[in-house]
Amino acid sequence: NAGVTQTPKFQVLKTGQSMTLQCAQDMNHEYMSWYRQDPGMGLRLIHYSVGAGITDQGEVPNGYNVSRSTTEDFPLRLLSAAPSQTSVYFCASSLDRASGNTIYFGEGSWLTVV
Amino acid sequence: DQQVKQNSPSLSVQEGRISILNCDYTNSMFDYFLWYKKYPAEGPTFLISISSIKDKNEDGRFTVFLNKSAKHLSLHIVPSQPGDSAVYFCADYNTDKLIFGTGTRLQVFP
Repeated sequence: NAGVTQTPKFQVLKTGQSMTLQCAQDMNHEYMSWYRQDPGMGLRLIHYSVGAGITDQGEVPNGYNVSRSTTEDFPLRLLSAAPSQTSVYFCASSLDRASGNTIYFGEGSWLTVV
Repeated sequence: DQQVKQNSPSLSVQEGRISILNCDYTNSMFDYFLWYKKYPAEGPTFLISISSIKDKNEDGRFTVFLNKSAKHLSLHIVPSQPGDSAVYFCADYNTDKLIFGTGTRLQVFP
């Protein structure tokens, strides 16, 4: 069972570069989201999607873009990377927005912006 | 503003003893809370939850207590095992997101 798969696992970017963090799930989950985790802070929601074609902003959306063209995929785009975006990024999915206790997280993507 | 606070960044407990991890919250929308466990280089995994209709929920060695008047919840692990060594996050659930605390790193030593 693949679950929630994130790629790449590690990435180093230069300031100003753009890139896409990929997230795919094979559980036919409607709800997908992206969180970032920074030292001394809990995970914070960046963007989320309640279904294909629908996305919305979370707590810290600035500098990030998302789209949801299929149920399975929810890529996160960094438009112009900044050192403040150095973080660990987690993609998550759940069956629906009400399934709080069945949110599955990917293994994380470590991003360093220099 | 919906907030979750875990004031103890770390906790060290001897194997076999009880581990107690604490969490305080403000302005919860649904009084529905979850605990997640996170190992290094892995994503968080769901551990146990509690809703406002209960003040206690048990699952094996793990028990979560909710004190709504004090806006406080705690996770008890009895007995603690070395494999429990991880970072534990409490989270407050609302419709579209989880509001996470900053986490408590639990170390269980032999």
